[in-house]
Amino acid sequence: IAGITQAPTSQILAAGRRMTLRCTQDMRHNAMYWYRQDLGLGLRLIHYSNTAGTTGKGEVPDGYSVSRANTDDFPLTLASAVPSQTSVYFCASSRGEFDTQYFGPGTRLTVL
Amino acid sequence: GQNIDQPTEMTATEGAIVQINCTYQTSGFNGLFWYQQHAGEAPTFLSYNVLDGLEEKGRFSSFLSRSKGYSYLLLKELQMKDSASYLCAVMGNDYKLSFGAGTTVTVRA
Repeated sequence: IAGITQAPTSQILAAGRRMTLRCTQDMRHNAMYWYRQDLGLGLRLIHYSNTAGTTGKGEVPDGYSVSRANTDDFPLTLASAVPSQTSVYFCASSRGEFDTQYFGPGTRLTVL
Repeated sequence: GQNIDQPTEMTATEGAIVQINCTYQTSGFNGLFWYQQHAGEAPTFLSYNVLDGLEEKGRFSSFLSRSKGYSYLLLKELQMKDSASYLCAVMGNDYKLSFGAGTTVTVRA
């Protein structure tokens, strides 16, 4: 592993189903983030974690949850997916909360 | 709230110069970032400005004026591979990034 990986690359999901998007980094960065990117809206922060064991809400947290059990992993869970959660999801990490953020390759999620 | 504005699209010719402007009104300021994003790919870091002035990195330069809430990204000697979206992002008092919607640059031969 080099940098940040995300899985799956893409997914089609039925509304109401539960889904976890995975994010792993091997840079020993303290801070991690989840964004969604929608056409014309740019990247919007969903949840973040400044360090292992802590999480916080971003601009658009409703319908999403995260956990940060260790430094490397930061999964994003949709408890009951809805069509408005159709988007491209990017995970990012930074050494500290005020440092440059580096992005994973993204997960394209379609909720039908 | 955060308000970050940048043009939606720009077109330029290979070898030319393009300037992408970004204006912002945010709750506090702890730096401005520019990212490049090719279609279907992740954003990649280009530059960071926290003090007024020009930062130069090869063919790319970024300028910041904090008093005017203004930045620009200058792309010189445009190449076809520079066709991409360019994202302006401001770090506010909470150390979180707020992104503009992005400027899609198309380079024509």
